[in-house]
Amino acid sequence: DAGITQSPRHKVTETGTPVTLRCHQTENHRYMYWYRQDPGHGLRLIHYSYGVKDTDKGEVSDGYSVSRSKTEDFLLTLESATSSQTSVYFCAISPRDRGEQYFGPGTRLTVT
Amino acid sequence: TQLLEQSPQFLSIQEGENLTVYCNSSSVFSSLQWYRQEPGEGPVLLVTVVTGGEVKKLKRLTFQFGDARKDSSLHITAAQPGDTGLYLCAGAAGTYKYIFGTGTRLKVLA
Repeated sequence: DAGITQSPRHKVTETGTPVTLRCHQTENHRYMYWYRQDPGHGLRLIHYSYGVKDTDKGEVSDGYSVSRSKTEDFLLTLESATSSQTSVYFCAISPRDRGEQYFGPGTRLTVT
Repeated sequence: TQLLEQSPQFLSIQEGENLTVYCNSSSVFSSLQWYRQEPGEGPVLLVTVVTGGEVKKLKRLTFQFGDARKDSSLHITAAQPGDTGLYLCAGAAGTYKYIFGTGTRLKVLA
């Protein structure tokens, strides 16, 4: 299994508070991704990174920001959490552009 | 906007039956992947297909990429309860990115 962890695994937070989710890898893969998974929508790309300090928006990036200051860490921040951001968030890593992706175990976030 | 539609959305079959899951788009993909996801876990890659018309086999699973690279299918022979899960296709969509289908939830009854 690829060495990829996510923290926290579960979080409950209140509307309006900032939240940061962490993805950590030990594989030294260049590409990292944040997705959210909701019933009926499959996996939707939020942001992705193609190198340290190199990030770009996915299809559902509004309300989210990311940072990648080291190869191994990719942070996802919800600047002011809303109930519509209640979801399961997955991080993925890949060794190649559009290559195979390895997913973390997910973070279940509930915004009340 | 590129879309990947999967069908059927839900499938419940008896052990030993065969089934096919489809992944369709109006867009051309440079490659397409299939993943399986079990409850509470992240998706796990099953296969990547790259060439139009390509067929790959993984034990009882057969994957095919359409000639025009717009669609793909997953065929399972003699399904087993261990095949139960959510099957997702994902297409390489522009530089660095993928788009995922909405998934097919399969349940195989013993």
